[in-house]
Amino acid sequence: QSALTQPASVSGSPGQSITISCTGTSSDVGNNNHVSWYQQHPGKVPKLMIYDVSNRPSGVSSRFSGSKSGNTASLTISGLQAEDEADYYCNSYTSSNTWVFGGGTKLTVL
Amino acid sequence: QLQLQESGPGLVKPSETLSLTCTVSSGSISSNNFQWGWVRQPPGRGLEWIGDVFYTGGTSYNPSLKTRVTISVDKSKDLLSLRLDSVTAADTAVYYCTRRVPNTSLRDSWGQGTLVTVSS
Repeated sequence: QSALTQPASVSGSPGQSITISCTGTSSDVGNNNHVSWYQQHPGKVPKLMIYDVSNRPSGVSSRFSGSKSGNTASLTISGLQAEDEADYYCNSYTSSNTWVFGGGTKLTVL
Repeated sequence: QLQLQESGPGLVKPSETLSLTCTVSSGSISSNNFQWGWVRQPPGRGLEWIGDVFYTGGTSYNPSLKTRVTISVDKSKDLLSLRLDSVTAADTAVYYCTRRVPNTSLRDSWGQGTLVTVSS
């Protein structure tokens, strides 16, 4: 299975909105709604931000939202804050009963 | 609050077997039919799913690791285990144990991670 495709980096200014894409295939992202997003600060444990495409776990800011269209899932962060600067990873279930991560996106807050 | 804690050797020689355990506390590994698994992250690189074990005892593994990996649970000791055979330098990574809610992508609990280096 191949890793999901994410942009290597994205950037935005405080207060702006950014979107990170995660492109897969009809065998993973396009096949089900079990897509999740993780935030990881340097040296820290990944933190679940979105699960099942658009659901936020308890305690996650409403500034984070998820969506999906076809084989591409997206994470949108609105009202960008300095603390949002981190690496972000998407993760999808596959038709082979396995899971696959994206390569990761580095978000820089300018 | 469920806690997961990985443990095991920090250094493994090439061609040998990597063995890690994950202790579950403030909860039970056999409760509520959660699914348990492992994710790893080579230094400076991205996350890689290794595999999951289901409450039924069944397993699912990353196809790229399937021939070398075994994941199991010991319900009597609340332990999750990972075994990776014939390791190479490419297996050097931080290894995380995780818990996932069945039929969702809600992988809500992660251990702190343990760095395993493969080197002679």
